[in-house]
Amino acid sequence: QLQLQESGPGLLEPSETLSLTCTVSGASINNDNYYWGWIRQPPGKGLEWIGTIFYTGTTYYNPSLKSRVTISVGTSKNQFSLKLSSVTAADTAVYYCARGFNGKHYMDVWGKGTTVTVSS
Amino acid sequence: EIVMTQSPATLSVSPGERATLSCRASQSVTYNLAWYQQKPGQAPRLLIYGASTRATGIPARFSGSGSGTEFTLTISSLQSEDFAIYYCQQYNNWPLTFGGGTKVEIK
Repeated sequence: QLQLQESGPGLLEPSETLSLTCTVSGASINNDNYYWGWIRQPPGKGLEWIGTIFYTGTTYYNPSLKSRVTISVGTSKNQFSLKLSSVTAADTAVYYCARGFNGKHYMDVWGKGTTVTVSS
Repeated sequence: EIVMTQSPATLSVSPGERATLSCRASQSVTYNLAWYQQKPGQAPRLLIYGASTRATGIPARFSGSGSGTEFTLTISSLQSEDFAIYYCQQYNNWPLTFGGGTKVEIK
Protein backbone atom coordinates (compact mmCIF):
# COMPACT_ATOMS: atom_id res chain seq x y z
CA GLN A 1 0.00 0.00 0.00
CA LEU A 2 1.40 3.35 -1.06
CA GLN A 3 2.12 5.76 1.77
CA LEU A 4 3.69 9.21 1.84
CA GLN A 5 5.16 10.76 4.99
CA GLU A 6 6.35 14.32 5.38
CA SER A 7 9.14 15.18 7.79
CA GLY A 8 11.11 18.24 8.80
CA PRO A 9 11.38 21.06 11.34
CA GLY A 10 8.10 22.39 12.64
CA LEU A 11 9.33 25.81 13.74
CA LEU A 12 11.39 28.31 11.79
CA GLU A 13 12.40 31.91 12.27
CA PRO A 14 11.80 34.52 9.59
CA SER A 15 14.40 34.52 6.79
CA GLU A 16 15.35 30.87 7.36
CA THR A 17 14.99 28.13 4.78
CA LEU A 18 12.20 25.58 5.12
CA SER A 19 13.36 22.04 4.31
CA LEU A 20 10.93 19.14 4.16
CA THR A 21 11.28 15.57 2.95
CA CYS A 22 8.59 13.22 1.70
CA THR A 23 9.35 9.53 2.13
CA VAL A 24 7.45 7.24 -0.20
CA SER A 25 6.80 3.64 0.80
CA GLY A 26 4.99 0.92 -1.09
CA ALA A 27 6.07 2.07 -4.53
CA SER A 28 9.08 3.49 -6.30
CA ILE A 29 9.17 7.14 -7.27
CA ASN A 30 11.12 6.05 -10.37
CA ASN A 31 7.97 5.48 -12.38
CA ASP A 32 6.97 7.05 -15.68
CA ASN A 33 3.30 7.04 -14.68
CA TYR A 34 3.52 9.35 -11.69
CA TYR A 35 4.76 12.70 -10.52
CA TRP A 36 5.29 13.94 -6.99
CA GLY A 37 4.18 17.22 -5.57
CA TRP A 38 3.94 19.61 -2.64
CA ILE A 39 0.81 21.47 -1.59
CA ARG A 40 0.31 23.71 1.42
CA GLN A 41 -2.62 25.02 3.44
CA PRO A 42 -2.34 28.07 5.71
CA PRO A 43 -4.38 27.89 8.92
CA GLY A 44 -8.09 28.15 8.16
CA LYS A 45 -7.49 28.67 4.46
CA GLY A 46 -7.57 26.71 1.21
CA LEU A 47 -5.06 24.64 -0.70
CA GLU A 48 -2.12 26.08 -2.64
CA TRP A 49 -0.05 24.05 -5.06
CA ILE A 50 3.68 24.65 -4.56
CA GLY A 51 5.31 22.50 -7.19
CA THR A 52 5.75 19.15 -8.86
CA ILE A 53 8.65 16.92 -9.85
CA PHE A 54 9.12 13.89 -12.06
CA TYR A 55 11.70 11.29 -11.11
CA THR A 56 13.84 12.51 -14.02
CA GLY A 57 14.18 15.82 -12.20
CA THR A 58 11.81 17.86 -14.37
CA THR A 59 10.04 20.39 -12.19
CA TYR A 60 7.08 22.75 -12.36
CA TYR A 61 6.65 25.50 -9.78
CA ASN A 62 3.92 27.89 -8.78
CA PRO A 63 5.00 31.26 -10.22
CA SER A 64 4.05 32.96 -6.97
CA LEU A 65 6.73 30.95 -5.14
CA LYS A 66 9.13 30.06 -7.93
CA SER A 67 11.92 32.43 -6.88
CA ARG A 68 12.12 30.76 -3.46
CA VAL A 69 11.29 27.10 -4.16
CA THR A 70 13.42 24.10 -5.03
CA ILE A 71 12.02 20.57 -5.29
CA SER A 72 14.40 17.69 -5.78
CA VAL A 73 14.42 13.92 -5.89
CA GLY A 74 16.56 11.65 -3.73
CA THR A 75 16.11 8.41 -5.63
CA SER A 76 18.49 6.39 -3.51
CA LYS A 77 16.09 6.71 -0.59
CA ASN A 78 12.76 6.91 -2.46
CA GLN A 79 12.31 10.45 -1.24
CA PHE A 80 11.72 13.88 -2.64
CA SER A 81 12.30 17.18 -0.93
CA LEU A 82 11.07 20.77 -0.72
CA LYS A 83 13.16 23.82 0.08
CA LEU A 84 11.58 27.24 0.51
CA SER A 85 13.95 30.08 1.22
CA SER A 86 13.51 33.37 3.07
CA VAL A 87 10.37 32.29 4.91
CA THR A 88 7.98 34.73 6.56
CA ALA A 89 4.90 34.32 8.73
CA ALA A 90 2.89 34.00 5.52
CA ASP A 91 4.59 30.63 4.90
CA THR A 92 3.07 29.19 8.09
CA ALA A 93 0.96 26.26 6.89
CA VAL A 94 0.37 22.55 6.82
CA TYR A 95 2.58 21.15 4.07
CA TYR A 96 1.44 18.05 2.20
CA CYS A 97 3.24 15.84 -0.25
CA ALA A 98 1.18 13.93 -2.78
CA ARG A 99 1.32 11.65 -5.80
CA GLY A 100 -0.16 12.60 -9.11
CA PHE A 101 -0.46 11.10 -12.53
CA ASN A 102 1.84 11.94 -15.39
CA GLY A 103 -0.21 13.87 -17.92
CA LYS A 104 -3.25 14.20 -15.67
CA HIS A 105 -2.13 16.12 -12.66
CA TYR A 106 -4.73 15.36 -10.08
CA MET A 107 -3.45 13.90 -6.81
CA ASP A 108 -4.68 10.53 -5.67
CA VAL A 109 -2.50 9.79 -2.63
CA TRP A 110 -1.57 12.34 0.01
CA GLY A 111 0.64 12.36 3.06
CA LYS A 112 -0.91 13.30 6.37
CA GLY A 113 0.78 16.69 6.32
CA THR A 114 3.24 18.44 8.58
CA THR A 115 2.73 21.78 10.28
CA VAL A 116 5.37 24.43 9.78
CA THR A 117 5.22 27.61 11.85
CA VAL A 118 7.33 30.67 11.09
CA SER A 119 7.74 32.88 14.12
CA SER A 120 10.42 34.88 15.84
CA GLU B 1 -3.24 31.44 -14.11
CA ILE B 2 -6.69 29.83 -14.16
CA VAL B 3 -8.82 31.05 -11.26
CA MET B 4 -11.24 28.53 -9.78
CA THR B 5 -14.32 29.90 -8.02
CA GLN B 6 -16.51 27.71 -5.84
CA SER B 7 -20.01 28.44 -4.67
CA PRO B 8 -21.55 28.65 -2.23
CA ALA B 9 -18.89 29.14 0.40
CA THR B 10 -21.08 27.32 2.92
CA LEU B 11 -23.94 24.92 2.25
CA SER B 12 -26.28 23.90 5.06
CA VAL B 13 -27.94 20.57 4.37
CA SER B 14 -29.90 18.05 6.41
CA PRO B 15 -28.77 14.40 6.48
CA GLY B 16 -30.41 12.47 3.67
CA GLU B 17 -30.83 15.54 1.49
CA ARG B 18 -29.10 16.29 -1.79
CA ALA B 19 -26.17 18.70 -1.97
CA THR B 20 -25.07 20.48 -5.12
CA LEU B 21 -21.71 22.25 -5.19
CA SER B 22 -20.47 24.44 -8.04
CA CYS B 23 -17.03 25.20 -9.42
CA ARG B 24 -16.30 27.70 -12.18
CA ALA B 25 -13.03 28.15 -14.07
CA SER B 26 -11.89 31.50 -15.45
CA GLN B 27 -11.13 29.77 -18.76
CA SER B 28 -11.81 26.35 -20.21
CA VAL B 29 -10.16 23.41 -18.49
CA THR B 30 -12.00 20.90 -20.75
CA TYR B 31 -12.55 17.83 -18.51
CA ASN B 32 -9.39 18.28 -16.43
CA LEU B 33 -11.12 18.89 -13.14
CA ALA B 34 -10.86 17.05 -9.83
CA TRP B 35 -12.83 17.21 -6.59
CA TYR B 36 -11.44 16.58 -3.12
CA GLN B 37 -13.02 16.15 0.30
CA GLN B 38 -11.23 17.38 3.41
CA LYS B 39 -12.25 16.75 7.00
CA PRO B 40 -10.79 18.66 9.97
CA GLY B 41 -7.22 17.65 10.73
CA GLN B 42 -7.01 15.37 7.70
CA ALA B 43 -5.41 15.51 4.29
CA PRO B 44 -7.63 16.00 1.26
CA ARG B 45 -9.07 12.87 -0.30
CA LEU B 46 -9.58 12.51 -4.03
CA LEU B 47 -13.25 12.00 -4.91
CA ILE B 48 -13.59 12.71 -8.63
CA TYR B 49 -11.20 13.19 -11.55
CA GLY B 50 -11.80 13.83 -15.21
CA ALA B 51 -14.80 15.89 -14.08
CA SER B 52 -16.99 12.80 -13.60
CA THR B 53 -14.95 9.67 -12.80
CA ARG B 54 -15.14 8.49 -9.21
CA ALA B 55 -11.82 7.61 -7.59
CA THR B 56 -11.27 4.15 -6.16
CA GLY B 57 -13.50 3.40 -3.20
CA ILE B 58 -15.69 6.50 -3.51
CA PRO B 59 -19.40 5.78 -2.95
CA ALA B 60 -21.83 6.13 -5.82
CA ARG B 61 -23.71 8.91 -4.03
CA PHE B 62 -20.89 11.23 -5.16
CA SER B 63 -21.14 12.32 -8.78
CA GLY B 64 -19.44 14.96 -10.88
CA SER B 65 -20.52 16.66 -14.07
CA GLY B 66 -19.61 19.51 -16.36
CA SER B 67 -16.94 20.53 -18.81
CA GLY B 68 -15.21 23.65 -20.00
CA THR B 69 -15.76 26.24 -17.30
CA GLU B 70 -18.75 24.98 -15.30
CA PHE B 71 -18.65 21.96 -13.01
CA THR B 72 -20.88 20.42 -10.37
CA LEU B 73 -20.35 17.96 -7.55
CA THR B 74 -23.53 16.30 -6.35
CA ILE B 75 -23.94 14.27 -3.20
CA SER B 76 -27.25 12.50 -3.68
CA SER B 77 -28.11 11.73 -0.04
CA LEU B 78 -25.85 13.24 2.57
CA GLN B 79 -24.48 10.93 5.20
CA SER B 80 -23.01 12.09 8.50
CA GLU B 81 -19.49 11.39 7.25
CA ASP B 82 -19.98 13.69 4.24
CA PHE B 83 -19.98 16.91 6.24
CA ALA B 84 -16.64 18.39 5.26
CA ILE B 85 -15.00 20.94 2.98
CA TYR B 86 -14.89 20.23 -0.74
CA TYR B 87 -12.32 21.63 -3.14
CA CYS B 88 -12.14 21.60 -6.90
CA GLN B 89 -8.81 21.64 -8.75
CA GLN B 90 -7.99 22.18 -12.40
CA TYR B 91 -5.10 20.37 -13.99
CA ASN B 92 -5.47 21.56 -17.55
CA ASN B 93 -2.76 24.20 -17.24
CA TRP B 94 0.20 25.05 -15.08
CA PRO B 95 0.08 26.30 -12.39
CA LEU B 96 -2.33 23.82 -10.86
CA THR B 97 -5.01 25.78 -9.03
CA PHE B 98 -7.67 25.02 -6.44
CA GLY B 99 -10.97 26.64 -5.69
CA GLY B 100 -11.51 28.28 -2.33
CA GLY B 101 -13.68 25.43 -1.08
CA THR B 102 -17.29 24.81 -0.09
CA LYS B 103 -18.04 23.83 3.47
CA VAL B 104 -20.95 21.42 3.75
CA GLU B 105 -22.43 21.71 7.22
CA ILE B 106 -25.30 20.13 9.06
CA LYS B 107 -28.53 22.09 8.87
